[in-house]
Amino acid sequence: DNVMTQSPLSLAVAPGEPASISCRSSQSLLHSRGYNCMDWYLQKPGQPPQLLIYWGSNRASGVPDRFSGSGSGTDFTLRISRVEAEDVGIYYCMQGLQSPPTFGQGTRLEIK
Amino acid sequence: EVQLLESGGGLVQPGGSLRLSCVASGFTFRTYAMNWVRQAPGKGLECVSGIVGDGSQTYYADSVKGRFTISRDNSKNTLYLQMNSLRAEDTAFYYCAKDRVPDAAWNIDFWGQGTLVTVSS
Repeated sequence: DNVMTQSPLSLAVAPGEPASISCRSSQSLLHSRGYNCMDWYLQKPGQPPQLLIYWGSNRASGVPDRFSGSGSGTDFTLRISRVEAEDVGIYYCMQGLQSPPTFGQGTRLEIK
Repeated sequence: EVQLLESGGGLVQPGGSLRLSCVASGFTFRTYAMNWVRQAPGKGLECVSGIVGDGSQTYYADSVKGRFTISRDNSKNTLYLQMNSLRAEDTAFYYCAKDRVPDAAWNIDFWGQGTLVTVSS
């Protein structure tokens, strides 16, 4: 299986400050059609995950523009430009190019 | 509005069986691949199994191969997961999850609320 490695595994950020999460894949996620099969999800406490970013850099519908994704191939980053209290939860990256899809370990975001 | 409603979870003894169901609404079910994703209490996410829209292609995590079977009934907008030879390590919330676009690798965009499976004697 394709191993996804996230870092850091936890971070505490003051409101209004930026945050960044890295995800590294053990194999390239570049699809033959030109997009990267990398998605980012946020799981808020007591809820199922929700899609934030798809194909590496595309915000899902309704996601605030303070969230952005970048990267290609094996290295990807999720950035939050100004953290808000509602951003608390666990962030997961997921690759969908190889079967089965695999997730990173998760990064827990807390507010300082 | 997309809705995914899982059912069938519960307490089962080791070695036992359960069948999970997921009833979908709000989208053209037969068009989209569907997945079962599980999360042990306090742990991360694991894609257990997935199936494309017409049922012709599936995947399984190594941890469940030979024990779990995914299927779908497009006439009933329902996804299933037959789980046999259950082990304690299968204890988890099981989420039904829909792909965002068909024929584009695996790409989950929506999750149900989940159903809890507990394997214990």
